Amino acid sequence: TQLLEQSPQFLSIQEGENLTVYCNSSSVFSSLQWYRQEPGEGPVLLVTVVTGGEVKKLKRLTFQFGDARKDSSLHITAAQPGDTGLYLCAGARSWGKLQFGAGTQVVVTP
Amino acid sequence: NAGVTQTPKFQVLKTGQSMTLQCAQDMNHNSMYWYRQDPGMGLRLIYYSASEGTTDKGEVPNGYNVSRLNKREFSLRLESAAPSQTSVYFCASSVGQGAYEQYFGPGTRLTVT
Repeated sequence: TQLLEQSPQFLSIQEGENLTVYCNSSSVFSSLQWYRQEPGEGPVLLVTVVTGGEVKKLKRLTFQFGDARKDSSLHITAAQPGDTGLYLCAGARSWGKLQFGAGTQVVVTP
Repeated sequence: NAGVTQTPKFQVLKTGQSMTLQCAQDMNHNSMYWYRQDPGMGLRLIYYSASEGTTDKGEVPNGYNVSRLNKREFSLRLESAAPSQTSVYFCASSVGQGAYEQYFGPGTRLTVT
C-alpha cells in the first residue's frame, strides 16, 4: 500500500514551461522531504519542509507543505533540461524512517 | 570524501544462490538504511540501523538479513535469492534519528533468474 501518492507519474514538457508535481497522503507527517534521482544514481535531497503551510524556494523550484501536513507540491518555473529526473517525496513520521512516494518522472526537452 | 559506496554495482544470481551487498560511509553517520527500488513502487525500506550495534526491520524485511559491522559498514545478505528480489538496492546513511537528510549510494542492480 502506497501511503504517499505522487501525481502525475510522468510529465514531459518543453524547456521554458512550468510544471507542478503533487504528493498526497491521508496521514500526517512531521516533515516531508523532496529528492531528485538521476539515472544510475541514488536520490539526492532537494529540500525538507517541516511546518504546515511552509513555502521554500530553491532557485526556480518552489516547495509547499500543506497546512494539515498531509500533502506537498513542487513547482518548477521555466524548466530546463537539467531539471530532468525522477522526483520523489518522502514523509517522516516515527523516528528516522521515511515513507517514499513512487515518484514523478520529469522529462524536459530543449 | 567518497560519501556512501556500494559494491557490487551489478549482479546476476540464480534462484537459490546467496550473496552479500556491501555498503560503507565515510561521513561518520550514526544511522544507516537499506532500500529496494522497483518500478512504480518507489523506495521501500528493508532494514535500518539506528546506531552501531543495533538493527531493525523495515517495511519489506522477508528474505534478507543485515549486519552493522561497525560504524562505517552495513551489509545486506540474501540467503536464498528469489526472482521477486530482482530490484535495485540502495544503501543510505544519515546523521542520526529524526528527519535528517539521507545520503544515498549509487545502487546495486540485482537480477535473479
